[in-house]
Amino acid sequence: EVQLVESGGGLVQPGGSLRLSCAASGFTFSSYEMNWVRQAPGKGLQWVSYIRLSDNSVYYADPVKGRFTISRDNAKNSLYLQMNSLRAEDTAVYYCARVRSMSTESSFNYYMDVWGKGTTVTVSS
Amino acid sequence: QSVLTQPPSASGTPGQRVTISCSGGSSNIGSNSVSWYQQLPRTAPKLLIYTDNQRPSGVPDRFSGSTSGTSASLAISGLQSEDEADYFCAAWDDRLHGYVFGTGTKVTVL
Repeated sequence: EVQLVESGGGLVQPGGSLRLSCAASGFTFSSYEMNWVRQAPGKGLQWVSYIRLSDNSVYYADPVKGRFTISRDNAKNSLYLQMNSLRAEDTAVYYCARVRSMSTESSFNYYMDVWGKGTTVTVSS
Repeated sequence: QSVLTQPPSASGTPGQRVTISCSGGSSNIGSNSVSWYQQLPRTAPKLLIYTDNQRPSGVPDRFSGSTSGTSASLAISGLQSEDEADYFCAAWDDRLHGYVFGTGTKVTVL
């Protein structure tokens, strides 16, 4: 069964750090791109970060740029999100998701076909 | 803050057809493929439509997607009670260099 399981969430004070992990199973992790998406309480979905397979390029949403770092360890079938300088507005459920992407001359097709159940991050004093 | 705009709510009775719109711009829907996600209450999102109008295995053909210019639509025909959920459109944005989601639409089955 294809599965993604997030861990590492919790309560942290403003300015603190957390490292989220996402354990993949049931598919060849090293062959797929991955990303993180978050959802603040009662709000919509917000894409956070993406790690590209072809050249290991990383992309970040503006609100987390310079504070969050996405990485992966193919030997451990794991994706990570290092979150520093956390703010109250980072409070959310964080989902890892498998990415399918394809570039043509004129368009970029990007979507997430497998999602984890999420891990909750609460930033509060 | 979302760059893709959806109506906050939509509703219908069982068996009816419901359509959800998603309005974007030239840097996202106008340039790149659209996907749709369904989020049932208290669960993770699930891929519903990809590449504008393709359904993953297991998604009923009651769900269909379409695009036109800088807008996209999701149609649910033969509405069922289990379709009560939040629906989000999404696309890559060339200007923002990131993936953008719509504001989300809550579908209620009356």
